[in-house]
Amino acid sequence: QKEVEQNSGPLSVPEGAIASLNCTYSDRGSQSFFWYRQYSGKSPELIMSIYSNGDKEDGRFTAQLNKASQYVSLLIRDSQPSDSATYLCAVNGENYGQNFVFGPGTRLSVLP
Amino acid sequence: DADVTQTPRNRITKTGKRIMLECSQTKGHDRMYWYRQDPGLGLRLIYYSFDVKDINKGEISDGYSVSRQAQAKFSLSLESAIPNQTALYFCATSDSEVYTGELFFGEGSRLTVL
Repeated sequence: QKEVEQNSGPLSVPEGAIASLNCTYSDRGSQSFFWYRQYSGKSPELIMSIYSNGDKEDGRFTAQLNKASQYVSLLIRDSQPSDSATYLCAVNGENYGQNFVFGPGTRLSVLP
Repeated sequence: DADVTQTPRNRITKTGKRIMLECSQTKGHDRMYWYRQDPGLGLRLIYYSFDVKDINKGEISDGYSVSRQAQAKFSLSLESAIPNQTALYFCATSDSEVYTGELFFGEGSRLTVL
């Protein structure tokens, strides 16, 4: 079992819809969780981080963390074509040697 | 100028050649990383360094070596390149507040081994 799993996609949503991206992780001791966005041919950039159970909102983005179920999700409201990218879930914790472990990424396509 | 700079950005080489990818940063971070990205596999950690005297192997270190010349410089070497090392390589930095800090990536070095 991979340590951090994501659906590879592509996930296609119409412009203005809500895009829902999911990530599951295997290590219950994981302590911090991140969503990175990566445009084709570019480097990843952080869009959200979350450390405790519940929701965290930042503009059109909401990260949701459920440690009991070992999943973290990212909701993008009012999706725009400029949101089309690959979204990488990353997890950090003591059991990973304080390193960031990445999922394979989900490719999102927002259709005009 | 970018905070994390990688050179070269693109490199085509032949099997058996020695290749060095260089990374320098102006963020003042102690922690530096080298990742490799292949389609469908996400980012995989090759080596990491938490300070100048600390070097650690990551998930896929075989065939690679690193050198931390200074706080700001971290180089990745392929001693004898092989075709399956063709990939996009990223250098990244983070500060010591690891559980709340983020990774800052360079622009990537695309390596092709023929």
